[in-house]
Amino acid sequence: DAGITQSPRHKVTETGTPVTLRCHQTENHRYMYWYRQDPGHGLRLIHYSYGVKDTDKGEVSDGYSVSRSKTEDFLLTLESATSSQTSVYFCAISPTSNEQFFGPGTRLTVL
Amino acid sequence: AQSVTQLGSHVSVSEGALVLLRCNYSSSVPPYLFWYVQYPNQGLQLLLKYTSAATLVKGINGFEAEFKKSETSFHLTKPSAHMSDAAEYFCAVSPGKWGAGNMLTFGGGTRLMVKP
Repeated sequence: DAGITQSPRHKVTETGTPVTLRCHQTENHRYMYWYRQDPGHGLRLIHYSYGVKDTDKGEVSDGYSVSRSKTEDFLLTLESATSSQTSVYFCAISPTSNEQFFGPGTRLTVL
Repeated sequence: AQSVTQLGSHVSVSEGALVLLRCNYSSSVPPYLFWYVQYPNQGLQLLLKYTSAATLVKGINGFEAEFKKSETSFHLTKPSAHMSDAAEYFCAVSPGKWGAGNMLTFGGGTRLMVKP
């Protein structure tokens, strides 16, 4: 299995609070991604990174920001969480071979 | 632009029966195509991928898929379902070598149920 960990695995927070999710890899892969998974929508890309300090927006980036200061870490921040951001968040990594490897996910509940 | 449609959000089969999960895609460039499986409370695991080599692709756990350009389809099959195949399956498309960042677009998923 690809070495990807996500923390925390579960989080409950209140509307309006900031939240940061962490993705850590031990594979030294160039590309890293954040997705959210919601019933009926599959996975939708939030942001991705193609190198240290190089990031770009995905399909559903509003309300989210990311940072990548080291190859191994990719942080997803919700500046002010809303109930619509209740979801399961997955991190993925990819070398240059096109396939992506997924982490175990973080279940976030915003009350 | 690319998109993926998975026909049937839920599919139920009997143990030992044929599994057929449908995936149709649209892509403005020759695509790469993937099937992922997700077991409850877990991340996604790659089942198989098509990257412009053989059109019939064999994956793990006895699954295979055939790329049909004329039908823009990449249906997933398994000859005989096992109880352990019960999971959610996702089809995904990427622009492959024609795009940067290995961007994947996912279908909505199909939940496979296997009856004893």
